[in-house]
Amino acid sequence: DVKVTQSSRYLVKRTGEKVFLECVQDMDHENMFWYRQDPGLGLRLIYFSYDVKMKEKGDIPEGYSVSREKKERFSLILESASTNQTSMYLCASSTGGGKETQYFGPGTRLLVL
Amino acid sequence: GQSLEQPSEVTAVEGAIVQINCTYQTSGFYGLSWYQQHDGGAPTFLSYNALDGLEETGRFSSFLSRSDSYGYLLLQELQMKDSASYFCAVAGTASKLTFGTGTRLQVTL
Repeated sequence: DVKVTQSSRYLVKRTGEKVFLECVQDMDHENMFWYRQDPGLGLRLIYFSYDVKMKEKGDIPEGYSVSREKKERFSLILESASTNQTSMYLCASSTGGGKETQYFGPGTRLLVL
Repeated sequence: GQSLEQPSEVTAVEGAIVQINCTYQTSGFYGLSWYQQHDGGAPTFLSYNALDGLEETGRFSSFLSRSDSYGYLLLQELQMKDSASYFCAVAGTASKLTFGTGTRLQVTL
């Protein structure tokens, strides 16, 4: 079974803090993705990566950065957390190249106070 | 860019058939996917259509018409456990998905 794990299920941070969300996949997938999910807005892509040290902006990258130093790990960084970044954050991975089955982690619910 | 439209909520009775529609506008198109998400859970893959027509997987089927920029997910013999949110997603490039806002399906007795 493909397994995508995220470092925390719940996280509470203060405005202005630097926040790291970690994601690890164990299936040697090339592609990794970070989404945020908000009620009524579906899943919106923040950043994605096709390979180690490679990243591309998604639809809503402002206020976020990412790091992919190893193939299995993709980190999302909130440089200075703000209350409008309170959300559910979902990581996903895929093999790429066609059918596009993305495998999701359990999500991190982040509350910024 | 990409945009997708699907109904926000659908209610159906256990044992019935329900169809969830999805229309899309896209600058590139590789295929249409469907994902299921139970409350508190992660989205899980259901189906993918790259070509026109119907794909069947057990009680679930998915249809695509590329000329109409339209697809649907058909759920038959509904069960209570099918109560969940269903998302259509367009693959606009080889690997990147754009998701719709989701349809919440409520199955009642």
